[in-house]
Amino acid sequence: DAGVIQSPRHEVTEMGQEVTLRCKPISGHNSLFWYRQTMMRGLELLIYFNNNVPIDDSGMPEDRFSAKMPNASFSTLKIQPSEPRDSAVYFCASILSHGTGAGNTIYFGEGSWLTVV
Amino acid sequence: DAKTTQPPSMDCAEGRAANLPCNHSTISGNEYVYWYRQIHSQGPQYIIHGLKNNETNEMASLIITEDRKSSTLILPHATLRDTAVYYCIVRVASGGSYIPTFGRGTSLIVHP
Repeated sequence: DAGVIQSPRHEVTEMGQEVTLRCKPISGHNSLFWYRQTMMRGLELLIYFNNNVPIDDSGMPEDRFSAKMPNASFSTLKIQPSEPRDSAVYFCASILSHGTGAGNTIYFGEGSWLTVV
Repeated sequence: DAKTTQPPSMDCAEGRAANLPCNHSTISGNEYVYWYRQIHSQGPQYIIHGLKNNETNEMASLIITEDRKSSTLILPHATLRDTAVYYCIVRVASGGSYIPTFGRGTSLIVHP
């Protein structure tokens, strides 16, 4: 099992540019999460998909952020235009969610380190 | 917001047991307690989880109080590689599904 795969691992971009982060969840998992981590705010949930459908995007900071999941094996998080305050580590995670109360483990990718200058 | 409370930092001597507490006084009957850890520059990694019984695996032990309002993660023989941020979370229900929400965790430093 390859785990959750994210790309790019590191990106440095100029303010105003578009940034696209990519995620391939674990095969068979039906829920996908995008988190952002900064020193100031810790690990924040941005958006959550279940069966490719966005369920909760209340954590998305503003309209500059958008996320898609066109199929079960791929998701993107896009920032357009990017700003220096978007600099953070962005994690993608997936889980096999039964929604029955049974315990399920969430698996994280290694993160995408974004620096906007 | 996270429904758990953890001390922001702890330290432990190498080879000794590290006991990391977590308070989850509002936990519901069907919510599980999960522990994850995050080593610097890596994604959080699953350690252990439990509902009401104590649990043990190759990484750690989890002790849950009888009223389930608190728990303790035990690393029986801490090593330098256990230096990390440890997160205690409970599964939060939203729209019939479960969303893991992380707090600030406990930064554990294991020293020689």
